[in-house]
Amino acid sequence: AQSVAQPEDQVNVAEGNPLTVKCTYSVSGNPYLFWYVQYPNRGLQFLLKYITGDNLVKGSYGFEAEFNKSQTSFHLKKPSALVSDSALYFCAVRDLDSSYKLIFGSGTRLLVRP
Amino acid sequence: DGGITQSPKYLFRKEGQNVTLSCEQNLNHDAMYWYRQDPGQGLRLIYYSQIVNDFQKGDIAEGYSVSREKKESFPLTVTSAQKNPTAFYLCASNNFGSTDTQYFGPGTRLTVL
Repeated sequence: AQSVAQPEDQVNVAEGNPLTVKCTYSVSGNPYLFWYVQYPNRGLQFLLKYITGDNLVKGSYGFEAEFNKSQTSFHLKKPSALVSDSALYFCAVRDLDSSYKLIFGSGTRLLVRP
Repeated sequence: DGGITQSPKYLFRKEGQNVTLSCEQNLNHDAMYWYRQDPGQGLRLIYYSQIVNDFQKGDIAEGYSVSREKKESFPLTVTSAQKNPTAFYLCASNNFGSTDTQYFGPGTRLTVL
């Protein structure tokens, strides 16, 4: 069965510092991985996805994610955090065994302090 | 949120009532989904539909019902059988393919009075 884990409930970082939000996955085949961001009382916004190719994926708002097959990880990164990046971040993996639905992690709250 | 609309944004329900949440998409996507989000928790899949007139139960379908009579519409009914319906409900859609991105609507917050 496919699964994804976000080991940190919250990440705190100072504005201007680099940020990392962690995600690990477990799949039986090639992983199709996604990152989303959610602001309060809003839907999820797509940030980026890894399907194949370059292990460093660039996405919206200056975010990028690094796919590491040996460590089964897909960590979200940004070189310089903004206060406006404070939000809830979800990692997801596509369930290739069951109609291609997405399986979501529990979410990580990012708090960027001024 | 573009391309997927959900209404209403806020909904209040009395105990024992059925309520229907609307989800419409103009992205010509094949598949549509309903998720439930509780405070401090991730998303849980309620129902999904890959084609018109067909849908499948997700992980927490009890107390909910759906229909898919048109490609662009996937309404969710929260029935009185759902014992704890207060939550944030999210609708999503994507083309039917393993690499396709799933896009979300803005959500409906349901509160039981």
